[in-house]
Amino acid sequence: SQTIHQWPATLVQPVGSPLSLECTVEGTSNPNLYWYRQAAGRGLQLLFYSVGIGQISSEVPQNLSASRPQDRQFILSSKKLLLSDSGFYLCAWSLAGLRDTQYFGPGTRLTVL
Amino acid sequence: GIQVEQSPPDLILQEGANSTLRCNFSDSVNNLQWFHQNPWGQLINLFYIPSGTKQNGRLSATTVATERYSLLYISSSQTTDSGVYFCAVTNSGYSTLTFGKGTMLLVSP
Repeated sequence: SQTIHQWPATLVQPVGSPLSLECTVEGTSNPNLYWYRQAAGRGLQLLFYSVGIGQISSEVPQNLSASRPQDRQFILSSKKLLLSDSGFYLCAWSLAGLRDTQYFGPGTRLTVL
Repeated sequence: GIQVEQSPPDLILQEGANSTLRCNFSDSVNNLQWFHQNPWGQLINLFYIPSGTKQNGRLSATTVATERYSLLYISSSQTTDSGVYFCAVTNSGYSTLTFGKGTMLLVSP
């Protein structure tokens, strides 16, 4: 069966510091991968998605970036965090295809002080 | 882009009550999912239901694609049903989910 991991689970970082969040998927090959952010107030916002190694699509321009160095690894990064980057970051995967179910990881709660 | 509206935004129930959550969407969809976000933040898949009706235990869902809405039914609610319920859709031709703002459900003992 497939599993999705995210780490760290929680993170407190000062403004201006770098960020690296990691997501890995097990038990499947060539998945679509996604990064979402959930700010206080419930809504989920898609940040990036990837259909293959090195292929990243950005949905929202900001100071975050994403990379996919391996088939089942998706990394969210920032060179300098802003206060507004605080939130709950969720990684998800789906089988390759437009109509497939997305499955979410446990999330990383980021607080920028 | 496609708009997704969920109602009600908040719902308080006594344990054992039934409820219906609604999701309206503004365009045709080729993917519709219902999720439950538990108090720890985990998003749990409930249904993949771009059309038709499905049931899983005390939960069931119906999507009427031609009328652009979906309903999630919770019967005999339990305190563990508390959390936020999200509807999310994929518009034709795109692979990314658009989420509604959710319905926050609190089931009291």
